[in-house]
Amino acid sequence: DTAVSQTPKYLVTQMGNDKSIKCEQNLGHDTMYWYKQDSKKFLKIMFSYNNKELIINETVPNRFSPKSPDKAHLNLHINSLELGDSAVYFCASSPRTGGVSDTQYFGPGTRLTVL
Amino acid sequence: EDQVTQSPEALRLQEGESSSLNCSYTVSGLRGLFWYRQDPGKGPEFLFTLYSAGEEKEKERLKATLTKKESFLHITAPKPEDSATYLCAVQAPGGGSQGNLIFGKGTKLSVKP
Repeated sequence: DTAVSQTPKYLVTQMGNDKSIKCEQNLGHDTMYWYKQDSKKFLKIMFSYNNKELIINETVPNRFSPKSPDKAHLNLHINSLELGDSAVYFCASSPRTGGVSDTQYFGPGTRLTVL
Repeated sequence: EDQVTQSPEALRLQEGESSSLNCSYTVSGLRGLFWYRQDPGKGPEFLFTLYSAGEEKEKERLKATLTKKESFLHITAPKPEDSATYLCAVQAPGGGSQGNLIFGKGTKLSVKP
């Protein structure tokens, strides 16, 4: 069984479009995350979210918005896509957050290409 | 500013040639240091968590160690299947970045038969 899954695996779209990436975890974890891995393979946090709190990395444009229909899902919606948004986006989850160094488990990634 | 620096950027080894990867960090109040393995086209796969200086953990041919300023990932008698990018990350202390991992840029390891 896949612990953290993402769809789609690949996403190719035009500049200016709006798109969503879906993430689901079946680990029963409380906290989920979105990371961006750029062309230089550098992983950087975008959001962390549990049922109480959304924490946004201040460098993330407000065109990006996480949406969580329930504890097992955290989708990433992107408005008005730009060329610089091309990257691999990873979802991750951990049992909880706050004061404990919980292991984060990553999904397989979604490669977004903006033309 | 919290930072994680990994070296070398790339490492080529012959099968059976042991070596070490370095991860140096500057963070106030380390809550945990994590090692991940990433294969091409896949997400990072968890290897180890280290919490305090002097701690060591082992898994097959890999051994991770931690000091107050750096961590090492020792690879003993590597095999071609150990080829991957190894990522180091530290967990930031509380506040706005609570729970988030700060990653280094990784070391790309290639093991030739």
